[in-house]
Amino acid sequence: SSELTQDPAVSVALGQTVRITCLGDSLRTYYASWYQQKPGQAPVLVIYGRNNRPSGIPDRFSGSSSGNTASLTITGAQAEDEADYYCNSRDSSGNHVVFGGGTKLTVL
Amino acid sequence: EVQLVESGGGLVQPGRSLRLSCAASGFTFDDYAMHWVRQAPGKGLEWVSGISWNGGTIDYADSVKGRFTISRDNAKNSLYLQMNSLRAEDTALYYCAKDKSGSYTFDYWGQGTLVTVSS
Repeated sequence: SSELTQDPAVSVALGQTVRITCLGDSLRTYYASWYQQKPGQAPVLVIYGRNNRPSGIPDRFSGSSSGNTASLTITGAQAEDEADYYCNSRDSSGNHVVFGGGTKLTVL
Repeated sequence: EVQLVESGGGLVQPGRSLRLSCAASGFTFDDYAMHWVRQAPGKGLEWVSGISWNGGTIDYADSVKGRFTISRDNAKNSLYLQMNSLRAEDTALYYCAKDKSGSYTFDYWGQGTLVTVSS
């Protein structure tokens, strides 16, 4: 079982704001990173660290963290944002990597 | 342009071995840690193993420890995963991923190589 917990599915109306969460004790110590994966494609890093976006990632993607919860927020969701989203971080020991189970985002 | 190209996947019987390779280009390979991440069909991402820039630090997921061995050849800009005693549950798409800065953030991924363990 994963040490990072995500809701399996979330939906959002086109143009609205959606928050995807990731819960885990290790998040009290380590930042989460967030990845977007579309069907048949490799994951793409969208948020890392406190709230950093790699080059080419739209600024509608943002990240935040509080206590044991990390969040990915999409402000003004677009149809192309429909995808699976995964968080990852170190585990509680700090020695291994863990991924959340993933959240399937549907844009209505 | 960063490129990671995996190879070596295929169909293998339970208990047998397979060696995966990842050819890296477009960045200074020996400056970065590298990882293997897998994804079983229809399932989520699972970290498998990671290796530091010089091979001095290596970690494995508990699910593969003792069966898989990660290695790298900086002269060849290549990452490897030797997989022994393969099991049906090792069936997955195996991705090679670059570590952004030793923080377990994966900023570039390959397209993956499929490993199917079946008799």
